[in-house]
Amino acid sequence: DGGITQSPKYLFRKEGQNVTLSCEQNLNHDAMYWYRQDPGQGLRLIYYSQIVNDFQKGDIAEGYSVSREKKESFPLTVTSAQKNPTAFYLCASSILGMGNQPQHFGDGTRLSIL
Amino acid sequence: DQQVKQNSPSLSVQEGRISILNCDYTNSMFDYFLWYKKYPAEGPTFLISISSIKDKNEDGRFTVFLNKSAKHLSLHIVPSQPGDSAVYFCAATELVGANSKLTFGKGITLSVRP
Repeated sequence: DGGITQSPKYLFRKEGQNVTLSCEQNLNHDAMYWYRQDPGQGLRLIYYSQIVNDFQKGDIAEGYSVSREKKESFPLTVTSAQKNPTAFYLCASSILGMGNQPQHFGDGTRLSIL
Repeated sequence: DQQVKQNSPSLSVQEGRISILNCDYTNSMFDYFLWYKKYPAEGPTFLISISSIKDKNEDGRFTVFLNKSAKHLSLHIVPSQPGDSAVYFCAATELVGANSKLTFGKGITLSVRP
């Protein structure tokens, strides 16, 4: 079954800690994305990547970092510089270069601060 | 400044009736629009899309209408079913030059009463 796997489903972080959220896809998609969803808010783009070893900042990149060492993997690190990290994080992927191809989403990771 | 607006946070309809979910946008460069459906603690799933060269796209019980002059689109669900109860996000993108980035609205929570 092709799809996007995000892990863990729930994650707790202590103040001052960095945490890394995993995102893996086996859809052979070139483009991958990280979004953040807050209650009553839409999805806001954190980072995106169109090709291995390259990524761009989205609308709310401050306090986050990413890497794209493999086509199928796009981990997101929430650093201690992110002052309000509690949120629902969604990873997505899509075929690149065809804007009419919808993004496919994982089931998300809910991050909470202890 | 929100470029995609879903001004009604919630909608409640009777089973079997029509659900109409509205979405407005401000960026005239947007030329492709998508609707996603999201259940709690899950990722959004793609529902239906429309290109700006069309004014209507239909897929089973779901129809999306686009009024470019008014920068307005709507999703019609007929007949509505209890399983349609979810949050619906409107999203928009530019088909060329925008790296498939999507801009999302805040979502509308649809409740279908049995």
